[in-house]
Amino acid sequence: NAGVMQNPRHLVRRRGQEARLRCSPVKGHSHVYWYRQLPEEGLKFMVYLQKENIIDESGMPKERFSAEFPKEGPSILRIQQVVRGDSAAYFCASSPRNTGPYSYEQYFGPGTRLTVT
Amino acid sequence: QKEVEQDPGPLSVPEGAIVSLNCTYSNSAFQYFMWYRQYSRKGPELLMYTYSSGNKEDGRFTAQVDKSSKYISLFIRDSQPSDSATYLCAMPSRMDTGRRALTFGSGTRLQVQP
Repeated sequence: NAGVMQNPRHLVRRRGQEARLRCSPVKGHSHVYWYRQLPEEGLKFMVYLQKENIIDESGMPKERFSAEFPKEGPSILRIQQVVRGDSAAYFCASSPRNTGPYSYEQYFGPGTRLTVT
Repeated sequence: QKEVEQDPGPLSVPEGAIVSLNCTYSNSAFQYFMWYRQYSRKGPELLMYTYSSGNKEDGRFTAQVDKSSKYISLFIRDSQPSDSATYLCAMPSRMDTGRRALTFGSGTRLQVQP
């Protein structure tokens, strides 16, 4: 029963380094979402991707953050030149379909906890 | 005003109690409603999904939606210590296929005392 997989589970980076977070969706799911959960705050949407396409990046910070979901392989959330304020839990979610009332269901992975020192 | 409001708690109840968790929302366009459970340092787990007014039951859990009041509830019967977690309500921000972002409440932390 392979759900959404994320790695690494914990990532420590020094200020100015790059962070790469990986997400493998549930097998057969072609829609991937990234959310960020800051300490003591709720989950905030960042980006929605389908294979090889960014569909909605309205929640992504304009600088330093990028995401991709290639034809082969996992989705990647990339944060360049990390700062202390990037320390958070980053969650990936996936969904199987884009039509019908259940198309809004999203299944979450265990998250990657990024700590910037 | 936040789009989705949720009492952060913590809510502490004795084992076996009926728990009521609530969210209010401001956007009348919201049509689909979800409840997630999140254990400490884990990912959110989808508990209930509903898209109409009224009740939906699944085991010890009942989701209730009142669109006229923009109010949703999750009831947990016969609560167990293993139900201790943060409960998040969520709803899609937009209804067009290009916008599937979920807007989450801030979560209510529940503690069930044995």
